[in-house]
Amino acid sequence: GQNIDQPTEMTATEGAIVQINCTYQTSGFNGLFWYQQHAGEAPTFLSYNVLDGLEEKGRFSSFLSRSKGYSYLLLKELQMKDSASYLCAVRANAGNNRKLIWGLGTSLAVNP
Amino acid sequence: KAGVTQTPRYLIKTRGQQVTLSCSPISGHRSVSWYQQTPGQGLQFLFEYFSETQRNKGNFPGRFSGRQFSNSRSEMNVSTLELGDSALYLCASSKGYNEQFFGPGTRLTVL
Repeated sequence: GQNIDQPTEMTATEGAIVQINCTYQTSGFNGLFWYQQHAGEAPTFLSYNVLDGLEEKGRFSSFLSRSKGYSYLLLKELQMKDSASYLCAVRANAGNNRKLIWGLGTSLAVNP
Repeated sequence: KAGVTQTPRYLIKTRGQQVTLSCSPISGHRSVSWYQQTPGQGLQFLFEYFSETQRNKGNFPGRFSGRQFSNSRSEMNVSTLELGDSALYLCASSKGYNEQFFGPGTRLTVL
């Protein structure tokens, strides 16, 4: 089957660094996405990895290892507004098409 | 560039009724996906349309259906509503298989 695992909840302190892990087992791999979702709002796109390595975008970085089926999202200099759910999604094969498989999300609480 | 729009934003229905939700994608985006989100269940994929054809389908009963028009706008329909259908329904558009951009969602309450 197709499966994505992420921790359910994490807590961190304002100004600190937090790493949110995502492991996946899918039929094929065509890219991994990270999204942020604040309570009551729609998800917003954060990052995309298709090749191994680190992609940096401001305070947020995302890493991918295709051989290990593993990714992480790194958030630096945490701010209170970073309190949100972080969703990992993998574009997998689905017959002749490609399908997005979603994790359940990691709820991050940033404390002062 | 305008984002993804969804109408209505809120809806209250009773069991047994049917409902139609609408989604207008970002201009130039031909792919539209629909999701159901409930607390603790994450994003549950309903279906994806591309150029008026259903490209992928999730594991929902036949009461859930959708379609896409030639202008890429999409509708989803839920017939014979059940209490468990109460959820946030999200629509997302994309260019092909690139990142998806989500609309604000339609919050459906079934009484």
